[in-house]
Amino acid sequence: EAQVTQNPRYLITVTGKKLTVTCSQNMNHEYMSWYRQDPGLGLRQIYYSMNVEVTDKGDVPEGYKVSRKEKRNFPLILESPSPNQTSLYFCASSKGTGTSTDTQYFGPGTRLTVL
Amino acid sequence: AQSVTQLGSHVSVSEGALVLLRCNYSSSVPPYLFWYVQYPNQGLQLLLKYTTGATLVKGINGFEAEFKKSETSFHLTKPSAHMSDAAEYFCAVAMEYGNKLVFGAGTILRVKS
Repeated sequence: EAQVTQNPRYLITVTGKKLTVTCSQNMNHEYMSWYRQDPGLGLRQIYYSMNVEVTDKGDVPEGYKVSRKEKRNFPLILESPSPNQTSLYFCASSKGTGTSTDTQYFGPGTRLTVL
Repeated sequence: AQSVTQLGSHVSVSEGALVLLRCNYSSSVPPYLFWYVQYPNQGLQLLLKYTTGATLVKGINGFEAEFKKSETSFHLTKPSAHMSDAAEYFCAVAMEYGNKLVFGAGTILRVKS
């Protein structure tokens, strides 16, 4: 089944404890992206990647890191999480590298709470 | 910068009634427009999208939307609401290049029996 998977689905952590949220897609998509969803703000892009080893900042990149060493994986790293990073995170992928008509396919989400 | 405004953070309709969810965008060039739906505890799923061509776009589950350039709108409609339509709906806009989606704040649709 074609899908985007994320792990973990739920995570409660404490301020400053490094964490990684994994994202994997099995559709051989070039483009991957991370979003955070906050009430009343919709989804905001954190980072995106057009291809392996190519990443760029979205609208809210502060406090996050990403890497794209393999086509299928795009982990989101929080080196020193803070309470304002408590949010619902979505990974997404799409086929093209620069075509905005492509449909983005979303993972099921990771609910992160930073105490 | 592009922006998307969804009028009404919550919309409530009776089962069988018309669903109308409003979306307006700001863009200096013709955009690509999307509607996504998020069911409880799930990721977003594409309902429909407008790229070029016919301005009335039909999507899944009986939804459709009309691109009106003069009004910078892309409202989502469904003639008859079903209980299973209860979800949060997001309008999004993308420019011609870059794959970047800018989302509205979302509208939660409640369907009453």
